[in-house]
Amino acid sequence: DGGITQSPKYLFRKEGQNVTLSCEQNLNHDAMYWYRQDPGQGLRLIYYSQIVNDFQKGDIAEGYSVSREKKESFPLTVTSAQKNPTAFYLCASSIRRTAQETQYFGPGTRLLVL
Amino acid sequence: GQQVMQIPQYQHVQEGEDFTTYCNSSTTLSNIQWYKQRPGGHPVFLIQLVKSGEVKKQKRLTFQFGEAKKNSSLHITATQTTDVGTYFCAGPGLSWGKLQFGAGTQVVVTP
Repeated sequence: DGGITQSPKYLFRKEGQNVTLSCEQNLNHDAMYWYRQDPGQGLRLIYYSQIVNDFQKGDIAEGYSVSREKKESFPLTVTSAQKNPTAFYLCASSIRRTAQETQYFGPGTRLLVL
Repeated sequence: GQQVMQIPQYQHVQEGEDFTTYCNSSTTLSNIQWYKQRPGGHPVFLIQLVKSGEVKKQKRLTFQFGEAKKNSSLHITATQTTDVGTYFCAGPGLSWGKLQFGAGTQVVVTP
């Protein structure tokens, strides 16, 4: 939170289904990020965007897609190609696109596979 | 590729005790950040260190950046139950604008 909202808090996915996780920020930040966190693990970068209409793959982009049509929004789609999607998904933003900047995280979405 | 390693992965502390968690990088870092994630919560920024040998304090938390800017430490004195959570360090990634997070140190405090 702190200006970043994620929805839903919990999401259930059926086999073969695509699901979209929402991330919105009202901090006027340029950069936005999606991370995946597995139980007891650190954060792994899925995708990031430094500016509207531009985004880059992170370390584990396979099976995921994103868009950045608006500065304040950076939705993540978990596609059916992602075979092990159960995890805690965190969205973050930072003021500018440098690694000096603090990242502000949303409250996260927990995705479970039925 | 560049990695940021944290030790220990898990720390069980008696309330009132001190402990230290360490962060090490194979390459020189321009800066290092520390975050705290409470159980069930999301990471929250604690501090950023930029200068070689820099030491910063936040109440009972002391953060240090090594002289070679390849390692950092977080020392907590007189641990309290409010210190429970996972502490992550993060350094600049290989690509501009990315952060490389360590795996974190999970801290459990026994009253």
